[in-house]
Order: sequence, then structure tokens, then C-alpha cells
Amino acid sequence: EAQVTQNPRYLITVTGKKLTVTCSQNMNHEYMSWYRQDPGLGLRQIYYSMNVEVTDKGDVPEGYKVSRKEKRNFPLILESPSPNQTSLYFCASRKALTGNTEAFFGQGTRLTVV
Amino acid sequence: AQSVTQPDIHITVSEGASLELRCNYSYGATPYLFWYVQSPGQGLQLLLKYFSGDTLVQGIKGFEAEFKRSQSSFNLRKPSVHWSDAAEYFCAVGAQTGANNLFFGTGTRLTVIP
Repeated sequence: EAQVTQNPRYLITVTGKKLTVTCSQNMNHEYMSWYRQDPGLGLRQIYYSMNVEVTDKGDVPEGYKVSRKEKRNFPLILESPSPNQTSLYFCASRKALTGNTEAFFGQGTRLTVV
Repeated sequence: AQSVTQPDIHITVSEGASLELRCNYSYGATPYLFWYVQSPGQGLQLLLKYFSGDTLVQGIKGFEAEFKRSQSSFNLRKPSVHWSDAAEYFCAVGAQTGANNLFFGTGTRLTVIP
């Protein structure tokens, strides 16, 4: 089954404690991205990757890092989480970069930073 | 710059009633248009998409949307709403160029009352 898998689904952590949210897709998609969803703001892109070892900032990259060492995996790293990073995070993948390709989403990771 | 506006933050309809969710976009060229649904605790799922051709597109779960170029709109409709349609709905625009080329609206939350 084609899918994007995120882990963990829920995470509560303390300010400053490094964490990683994993994302994996089994569709051999080139393009992967991370979004955060906040009430009233919709989905905002954090980082995206056009292929292995090619990543770039989205609209809200501050406080986040990513890596793309393998095509299927695109982890999101918070080196020093802060309470304003409390949010619902989604990983997504697309077959290609063209605007007419749909995005496939993971089930989300709800992060709380206290 | 591209943008997507969903003017209704929250809509409540009775089960069995018809539904229309509004979406307006701003984009200089012909856009690629999508509607996604996010059920509680789930990721986003594609409902339907428009790339070209017939301006009335059919999607899953009995939804349809109509592209109106003159109004820069892509409204989502359903003739008879079911309780299971309660969710958040996102309109998105895909641009023809650019590396960061999928833009989401802020979402409309649908409540269905018996």
C-alpha cells in the first residue's frame, strides 16, 4: 500500500531537548516536504527536498533542520525545541516537482513542547 | 505571488443538506487546483483535482468542484451531506513553476448536525 509514515504520532517534550520526527514514503517519490498546521494559519511549509541531498527552506524554517540521505526518508529535526513549535506536523511526498502532482500526506505528529 | 483564500473558517450544515465550500485563488497563469480533506486525527486526503478540460470535476465521496476562471474560484460542493463528512477541508493551488509550488488555504472546518 502506498503510504507516507510518520513517527511518532504524539510527542510531549521539554524545551531544549533535541528531537527527531521520522518520515518515510514507499512510492519512490522525488519530492518530500514538511508542514506545520496551526489554527487559523492552515498548512505552512517548513522545508522541502527535491531529491537526495537536495533540501531547501520553505516559509517557516527557523528552528528546524532536515536531511535527505535516502530517497524514502526525510526526517525533521528540532535541535532545541521551544514552546512556539508546539503544533501538528505533516510530512508529504509528491512524485515530481511539477505543480500538477498531488501530495500524499502522513497521518501527522502532534508535538507539544513544555 | 500565489495565494489561496478560503473565506469561511467554520460552516455548520444539517445532515442531508447541500454543501458549498468556497475557494478563491490568486495566480497569474492557469493553476492546478486541489481539494483535500482532513478527518479528525488523520492526514490530508485528496478529494479531487483540476488540471485542464471540463471545469466540473468529480471526486471521491460524492464531492464535486467547479473551476470558474472569471471568478478565480474553485468551490467544492456536495448535494447531500453525511455525518461522516465532518472534517476540515483545504483548497490548494499548484503553480506551474518554482520549487515551492503548492499553496494551501487556511482551511474550512465543517460541522454536521443531525
